[in-house]
Amino acid sequence: QKEVEQNSGPLSVPEGAIASLNCTYSDRGSQSFFWYRQYSGKSPELIMSIYSNGDKEDGRFTAQLNKASQYVSLLIRDSQPSDSATYLCAVTYPNTGNQFYFGTGTSLTVIP
Amino acid sequence: EAGVTQFPSHSVIEKGQTVTLRCDPISGHDNLYWYRRVMGKEIKFLLHFVKESKQDESGMPNNRFLAERTGGTYSTLKVQPAELEDSGVYFCASSQQLASNEQFFGPGTRLTVL
Repeated sequence: QKEVEQNSGPLSVPEGAIASLNCTYSDRGSQSFFWYRQYSGKSPELIMSIYSNGDKEDGRFTAQLNKASQYVSLLIRDSQPSDSATYLCAVTYPNTGNQFYFGTGTSLTVIP
Repeated sequence: EAGVTQFPSHSVIEKGQTVTLRCDPISGHDNLYWYRRVMGKEIKFLLHFVKESKQDESGMPNNRFLAERTGGTYSTLKVQPAELEDSGVYFCASSQQLASNEQFFGPGTRLTVL
């Protein structure tokens, strides 16, 4: 069973705080991991991709991958109200082509 | 650069009718994907085109769904005849490189079957 698990939330953080979003997956052979942000009724927007263990930083966003523990997380520093959205984790599994397996998403609210 | 576009944004049809969804990928992207999200569930893969060829259609639910990508540009997804359980949001995505597999999504078509 190929699963991607996310806490559905809602997750609420005050403006300026760090928001931490987590995602676990079921196959240690997974190679590619992606975080998308989706505002209501809009396209999922690619924020980060990560392929190797460790941290990857891009502006206020940091993706953290731990393949041994089978989790990938997204940290948002200095959270802004405009970060309020649903965050989707996507994973590819070995021998399944290029298809993404998604979690159900975590709803984040940043409180001004 | 224009993103992935989808048409229509919403469609309401009755059970038994036919609906055709269209996706225009980002120009130059050979890879085109269809996904679907039914209410309360995660986004799920339907199929993958490389240019005009179906690379993987393992996620297509049944033979009422037909996807085409003539000429390797835009794609259509036809549902015929539609059933109630086909309701959901249908997303299209495209990517340029298989190696990175970064997929860029369109806004989706919300299909409601009554």
